[in-house]
Amino acid sequence: QQQVKQSPQSLIVQKGGISIINCAYENTAFDYFPWYQQFPGKGPALLIAIRPDVSEKKEGRFTISFNKSAKQFSLHIMDSQPGDSATYFCAANTNAGKSTFGDGTTLTVKP
Amino acid sequence: SQTIHQWPATLVQPVGSPLSLECTVEGTSNPNLYWYRQAAGRGLQLLFYSVGIGQISSEVPQNLSASRPQDRQFILSSKKLLLSDSGFYLCAWSVQPGGEQYFGPGTRLTVT
Repeated sequence: QQQVKQSPQSLIVQKGGISIINCAYENTAFDYFPWYQQFPGKGPALLIAIRPDVSEKKEGRFTISFNKSAKQFSLHIMDSQPGDSATYFCAANTNAGKSTFGDGTTLTVKP
Repeated sequence: SQTIHQWPATLVQPVGSPLSLECTVEGTSNPNLYWYRQAAGRGLQLLFYSVGIGQISSEVPQNLSASRPQDRQFILSSKKLLLSDSGFYLCAWSVQPGGEQYFGPGTRLTVT
């Protein structure tokens, strides 16, 4: 069964700190790994994504690290801000169209 | 630019009543379309996805069904709602199967 395991379930970080969210997958057919940010009552929004031929991708304060051999990937938020407080989902996609999401991490950044 | 719409935004329905949620995408052709359900405090569960008109794949056996009567229209239906159908329903689209997905604003369904 396709699964994506995400941790931690919740995370509290001080303003200016680094937030780290981890995901692990099992199915080697996954070939695209997006991260989404969701604010309460809203739909998720694409934040950043990576393909398995790249070990790291950075966009502003957000970085994805990808370890293909370990089948793990993580999101790092540098200089975390209160406005980053949201729920973050990792996902793993196959080229057949199926997406499997992690259960989400609720991030709270304290001022 | 592309836009995705969902309606209604909120819905309260009694058990046993029918359901119809609509999703439309503007500004693109031949989108891949998806229906997800999100329980409170939980992740997204893929319900249906469609790569073209009349092509629907079901991921989870349930009393829900989906249809795609037009290229950019995706409808989620039920003949008789259950209490367990309550949740936040999200429609999404992508350019390619397995590519990044763009989500609509969602419909909050409460079955009483």
